[in-house]
Amino acid sequence: QVQLVESGGGVVQPGGSLRLSCAASGFNFTTYGMHWVRQAPGKGLEWVSFIRYDGSNKYYADSVKGRYTISRDNSKNTVYLQMSSLRVEDTAVYYCAKDRGGVTYLFDYWGQGTLVSVSS
Amino acid sequence: EIVLTQTPGTLSLSPGETATLSCRASQSVSSSSLAWYQQKPGQAPRLLLYGASTRATGVPDRFSGSGSGTDFTLTISRLEPEDFAVYYCQQYGSAPRTFGQGTKVEFK
Repeated sequence: QVQLVESGGGVVQPGGSLRLSCAASGFNFTTYGMHWVRQAPGKGLEWVSFIRYDGSNKYYADSVKGRYTISRDNSKNTVYLQMSSLRVEDTAVYYCAKDRGGVTYLFDYWGQGTLVSVSS
Repeated sequence: EIVLTQTPGTLSLSPGETATLSCRASQSVSSSSLAWYQQKPGQAPRLLLYGASTRATGVPDRFSGSGSGTDFTLTISRLEPEDFAVYYCQQYGSAPRTFGQGTKVEFK
């Protein structure tokens, strides 16, 4: 069965950096795009970033553009999110999610999430 | 950016009743690229419907969707105890892909 397991969350000061990882299993990782979606405490969902199956294209929400970098290692079935210049408003649970197809922006499987807390 | 407005904010119902959730878009959603997700407390969202009305794998047929253009509806017939949750609509046809703010279906 499909499994997505995020790690790397924690508490960081404003301006700091953090790298999230998402280990995937149970499907052919090398043929699917992957996303990061976040949810601030008590709030709704916000799409953050997407990477194509081969890493050739990457897209970001305006709110994180220039500060976040998505990448993937298909040999390790893992997708990453490097976050820098973190702000208090980046505090959220970050989910990795599998794209249902190539580039549909439909999220058919989600990880359990990892909490990022930006606070001084 | 397409803004999705979900109503009502909270729906108070009893098991066995029917829930009707609305999602209105600020602009027409292309090709009915509208999805619904269910989220229970402490859990990740789960894809329920896409293409406005197509159920995802394993989703019971008491969940149904309809609509096109700017107005979409999620109907949950014969509410089961496990259906009490927050439901989000999402448009995935136009960048940036956006979510509604959610409708909570709670026990009456």
